[in-house]
Amino acid sequence: KQEVTQIPAALSVPEGENLVLNCSFTDSAIYNLQWFRQDPGKGLTSLLLIQSSQREQTSGRLNASLDKSSGRSTLYIAASQPGDSATYLCAVTSNAGGTSYGKLTFGQGTILTVHP
Amino acid sequence: DTGVSQDPRHKITKRGQNVTFRCDPISEHNRLYWYRQTLGQGPEFLTYFQNEAQLEKSRLLSDRFSAERPKGSFSTLEIQRTEQGDSAMYLCASSLGVGGCTFGSGTRLTVV
Repeated sequence: KQEVTQIPAALSVPEGENLVLNCSFTDSAIYNLQWFRQDPGKGLTSLLLIQSSQREQTSGRLNASLDKSSGRSTLYIAASQPGDSATYLCAVTSNAGGTSYGKLTFGQGTILTVHP
Repeated sequence: DTGVSQDPRHKITKRGQNVTFRCDPISEHNRLYWYRQTLGQGPEFLTYFQNEAQLEKSRLLSDRFSAERPKGSFSTLEIQRTEQGDSAMYLCASSLGVGGCTFGSGTRLTVV
């Protein structure tokens, strides 16, 4: 059974800092990995999608890396801003056979607070 | 492409009542997923469809829960005889094959 763990559970930083969020998964049979952002009481917004054959993806101040063999991904946020405050969720898409193919498994999330 | 739509956004119901939620996926997406999220937790998989076929159901989905996707378009999730433990955010997502998932805004259910 796939398990996804995110560290740290919560992070509070002053504005302008560069920061790293970590995600680990137990089963390397993944099709892709997505990072999502969730604002309080809202749905999920996709930030970055990394295919299993890729090593990293970048979008603006965000960079996500993937090391499938070690079961790890990191989300790097450069020059953090108060508007980045949200919960960040990591999810892996199963590449296992059968009906689990394509199913997403989520971590618990990292709650990020960026102080002005 | 208007994204994934969920209705209603909020639902308050009395324990024991039945509730039904609707999800309209992105039109060309053939896969549709339902997830449940409680406070402070990541979303948990409930069930998913490929076109109109329901391919997998989580053990979380008790007999009181049923989901349909007639004609492979919109989907409904019904909870019968609601319990306080059913209070959660119910999230719907869609994808084209196993491409990236797009999520809706969710339906927040409160059972009183």
